[in-house]
Amino acid sequence: DTGVSQDPRHKITKRGQNVTFRCDPISEHNRLYWYRQTLGQGPEFLTYFQNEAQLEKSRLLSDRFSAERPKGSFSTLEIQRTEQGDSAMYLCASSLGAGQLSYEQYFGPGTRLTVT
Amino acid sequence: QKEVEQNSGPLSVPEGAIASLNCTYSDRVSQSFFWYRQYSGKSPELIMSIYSNGDKEDGRFTAQLNKASQYVSLLIRDSQPSDSATYLCAGGGGSQGNLIFGKGTKLSVKP
Repeated sequence: DTGVSQDPRHKITKRGQNVTFRCDPISEHNRLYWYRQTLGQGPEFLTYFQNEAQLEKSRLLSDRFSAERPKGSFSTLEIQRTEQGDSAMYLCASSLGAGQLSYEQYFGPGTRLTVT
Repeated sequence: QKEVEQNSGPLSVPEGAIASLNCTYSDRVSQSFFWYRQYSGKSPELIMSIYSNGDKEDGRFTAQLNKASQYVSLLIRDSQPSDSATYLCAGGGGSQGNLIFGKGTKLSVKP
């Protein structure tokens, strides 16, 4: 399977704990995106990387959130001091970073976070 | 106006009928548009992209883009129960490549 993979698929944590999610993009894709989706809403953009450089962050990405893509391959998204409002599906997507193709994004299966 | 708007539905059609899904967008959305299908509990799956005015057909799916009216649609011909899902419309968010999604339209195809 050469699609986008994410780990873990589900995470239950207590409020105040830190969590980290991992995303492995499609191998030839140099752009990697993080989105968050809550029930009844479309995915909301959080941040994206071109290779190892983090090029844009949404205002949704508070100081408790940090993302890395150290070698331009996999990426991690960490949430510190989790809050109940962080409960959502965290989606990773990747694309070729070339013109219009940069918009053709392919999503991984997501990580469902539940904060109790 | 929200940047990408869709009727949340649900839209119910009988098996074999044409399902028509619609989406409007604001000036802030760039001119690349996408339709994603999302089954309950799963992640979005890209099914169509359209970049220029007019129609684009792929199998049972036809995407239509009208830039003057800021309107995008998806037609599904010969709808099947397996097409029952939420359909998300998305537009390019600008030069950086992130997508702006609508809330999605839930489609139900009745046997």
